[in-house]
Amino acid sequence: GENVEQHPSTLSVQEGDSAVIKCTYSDSASNYFPWYKQELGKRPQLIIDIRSNVGEKKDQRIAVTLNKTAKHFSLHITETQPEDSAVYFCAASKGGADGLTFGKGTHLIIQP
Amino acid sequence: SAVISQKPSRDICQRGTSLTIQCQVDSQVTMMFWYRQQPGQSLTLIATANQGSEATYESGFVIDKFPISRPNLTFSTLTVSNMSPEDSSIYLCSVLPGLEQFFGPGTRLTVL
Repeated sequence: GENVEQHPSTLSVQEGDSAVIKCTYSDSASNYFPWYKQELGKRPQLIIDIRSNVGEKKDQRIAVTLNKTAKHFSLHITETQPEDSAVYFCAASKGGADGLTFGKGTHLIIQP
Repeated sequence: SAVISQKPSRDICQRGTSLTIQCQVDSQVTMMFWYRQQPGQSLTLIATANQGSEATYESGFVIDKFPISRPNLTFSTLTVSNMSPEDSSIYLCSVLPGLEQFFGPGTRLTVL
């Protein structure tokens, strides 16, 4: 089955700097790659996603890039703010009826 | 998106007992999923629940331990049977109303 690796497990950045979280996947049939943000005690919230027919997608301060050949995708957050502090999970699926395989998560800490 | 509710929001149970978790969606959805999130960990897919057919379980999860019902397109239940302390987790349902997967608020289960 699919295996998703996520790095780093913890990332501390100064407020206003950029943060990058990287994930790799193993199943070349995977074609859908969402990113979720989970604040303490809350449900995971979808923040951005990308499909395999696209190399990059941007939504304001958040962007995701996908390299299908290398089987890796990354989350980029620019101009980080205190409210960006949370655990971020990448995931992969083959789409359609398939559930998601999650990475282990990255605890993002924004230092004031 | 979709509005998803779960009951109960939390429970404390004795080992050897069973708990049934309910998931209700405000619109009809074909695909529903059940995930487990152990304390401080990532999310793991338990099973996919389609209306009108048997649930499909992931490796490591069996129907006798986690029976699932899906009586209609807006409702599903997950039962955690013969519980042990290792079953202490957050259990989340999720739905795929379109192309994106959304999560319910979760049920926090503690087994003593």
